Amino acid sequence: EDQVTQSPEALRLQEGESSSLNCSYTVSGLRGLFWYRQDPGKGPEFLFTLYSAGEEKEKERLKATLTKKESFLHITAPKPEDSATYLCAVRMTGTYKYIFGTGTRLKVLA
Amino acid sequence: NAGVTQTPKFQVLKTGQSMTLQCAQDMNHEYMSWYRQDPGMGLRLIHYSVGAGITDQGEVPNGYNVSRSTTEDFPLRLLSAAPSQTSVYFCASGTDSYEQYFGPGTRLTVT
Repeated sequence: EDQVTQSPEALRLQEGESSSLNCSYTVSGLRGLFWYRQDPGKGPEFLFTLYSAGEEKEKERLKATLTKKESFLHITAPKPEDSATYLCAVRMTGTYKYIFGTGTRLKVLA
Repeated sequence: NAGVTQTPKFQVLKTGQSMTLQCAQDMNHEYMSWYRQDPGMGLRLIHYSVGAGITDQGEVPNGYNVSRSTTEDFPLRLLSAAPSQTSVYFCASGTDSYEQYFGPGTRLTVT
């Protein structure tokens, strides 16, 4: 069965304390893996797309990496404004459907 | 560009009532989709469309209908609302490189 699992469910960091969020996936074939940020009461905001193992993408304090089984979202020296829920999703080959994980709620304390 | 817009923002229905959630995009994307988001469940795909006149079911389609008469619009119809359909609904449109852009959501309560 195709599935996406994110860990941890929640994470509290001090400002400047770097960490990583994990997204592990089990799919028959991967077309793409996506990271989104969601603020309370808002729709998810697109961050990154990764297509193949070994690929990396960066944006400000965020860096996403991909292996054949999982993806990591590394947050370097986070700031309070990075507090949000981060969602991971996959699109499998041969389908137009996406599967989302349940997200990691990140809180960065000043 | 307004991106993806959804109306209404909030809605309360009684069990058995019907309604249509509106979704529009101005990015000329062929792919559009509807999700519901429930606590602890993540986003679940209801229906999607790969172009005008083409729709298909997602993971949780029961109780919902969609149509796609234009590239811009993708309305979601609740035929006979049930309390189990209380949720936050998001519409999204997608690019050829598979990334999706989401609307602000509709918070629906069915009593």
